[in-house]
Amino acid sequence: DTGVSQNPRHKITKRGQNVTFRCDPISEHNRLYWYRQTLGQGPEFLTYFQNEAQLEKSRLLSDRFSAERPKGSFSTLEIQRTEQGDSAMYLCASSLDAGGHTDTQYFGPGTRLTVL
Amino acid sequence: GQQVMQIPQYQHVQEGEDFTTYCNSSTTLSNIQWYKQRPGGHPVFLIQLVKSGEVKKQKRLTFQFGEAKKNSSLHITATQTTDVGTYFCAGSLNDMRFGAGTRLTVKP
Repeated sequence: DTGVSQNPRHKITKRGQNVTFRCDPISEHNRLYWYRQTLGQGPEFLTYFQNEAQLEKSRLLSDRFSAERPKGSFSTLEIQRTEQGDSAMYLCASSLDAGGHTDTQYFGPGTRLTVL
Repeated sequence: GQQVMQIPQYQHVQEGEDFTTYCNSSTTLSNIQWYKQRPGGHPVFLIQLVKSGEVKKQKRLTFQFGEAKKNSSLHITATQTTDVGTYFCAGSLNDMRFGAGTRLTVKP
């Protein structure tokens, strides 16, 4: 399977704990995005990478959230001191930016986070 | 900041009826994309529109991009039960902003 993969698929944690999610994009894709989705809403942009560079970060992303893509391949999203409001589906997507307009994003299955 | 709004929020149709969802942006977009998300699934890319006034068709689905590149629509002709899901538009300017989606249910 050469699609976008995310691990873990589900995470239950207690408030105040730190959690880390991993995303493995499609291998030749140079862009990687993180989104958060809650029930009944569309995906909410968090941040994205072009290769290993984090080019944009949503103003909605608090200091408790940090993302890395150290070698321009897989990425991790860490949430420190989790709060109940962090409970959501965290989606990763990747795309190939070839310099044109096309930026089709391929989504992974997501990591569902539940903070108790 | 850039906002993308989508209406209606829900649409329930009888199988065979048509369906349309509308997307509006507060700012001019460089392109717009449409995604479909089945219940319990993740968004799946349907199409991208780039040019002002562009119209694209995929079988029973017709996508339009407004002349001002601030609105778009998705029209499904003669819905089928397989069309069930939530349809999202996503507008791109500096980053990708998704609408809240239109959830379509189809009664057989």
